[in-house]
Amino acid sequence: KQEVTQIPAALSVPEGENLVLNCSFTDSAIYNLQWFRQDPGKGLTSLLLIQSSQREQTSGRLNASLDKSSGRSTLYIAASQPGDSATYLCAVPYNNNDMRFGAGTRLTVKP
Amino acid sequence: KAGVTQTPRYLIKTRGQQVTLSCSPISGHRSVSWYQQTPGQGLQFLFEYFSETQRNKGNFPGRFSGRQFSNSRSEMNVSTLELGDSALYLCASSWTSGTNYEQYFGPGTRLTVT
Repeated sequence: KQEVTQIPAALSVPEGENLVLNCSFTDSAIYNLQWFRQDPGKGLTSLLLIQSSQREQTSGRLNASLDKSSGRSTLYIAASQPGDSATYLCAVPYNNNDMRFGAGTRLTVKP
Repeated sequence: KAGVTQTPRYLIKTRGQQVTLSCSPISGHRSVSWYQQTPGQGLQFLFEYFSETQRNKGNFPGRFSGRQFSNSRSEMNVSTLELGDSALYLCASSWTSGTNYEQYFGPGTRLTVT
């Protein structure tokens, strides 16, 4: 059974800081890992999808890495801005499109 | 290209009633999955539909059901509503079924059961 854990549960940083969010999964036989952003009461916005054959993916100020052997992924956010405040979720496919999600990291970036 | 749309966005129902939620996937996407999100349980998979067939089902009671139409639009139905069914219901679409495709989520339907 695949279990996904995210640490920390909450994070508060001043604007401009670089930060790292962590995601771990118990079954390393994954096909990909996806990072999402969720604003309060809203749906999920896909940020990055890393295929199992890739080590990292970049989009703007975001960089996600994947280490299948250790069951870990990190999301690096450079030069954080107040607009980055949201909950960040990682997810891995378990069975077809049944995705297993972590509980998320609630990020607050203070001006 | 339009994103995933869900209707209605908000619903208030009374315990014992039934409800139907609708999801329209991104054009060309044939797989639709449904998730329930609650503060206590997080995001939980309900079921996936592909080519009008249920491909996969999560661990929810039979009161939760769904279907998919030939245009890939999907509906989910919850009968005999309970207070614990209050949640944000999200649907996600992807190009096809399988484990290697990016999922795109809609804005969700907020269901409140009183």
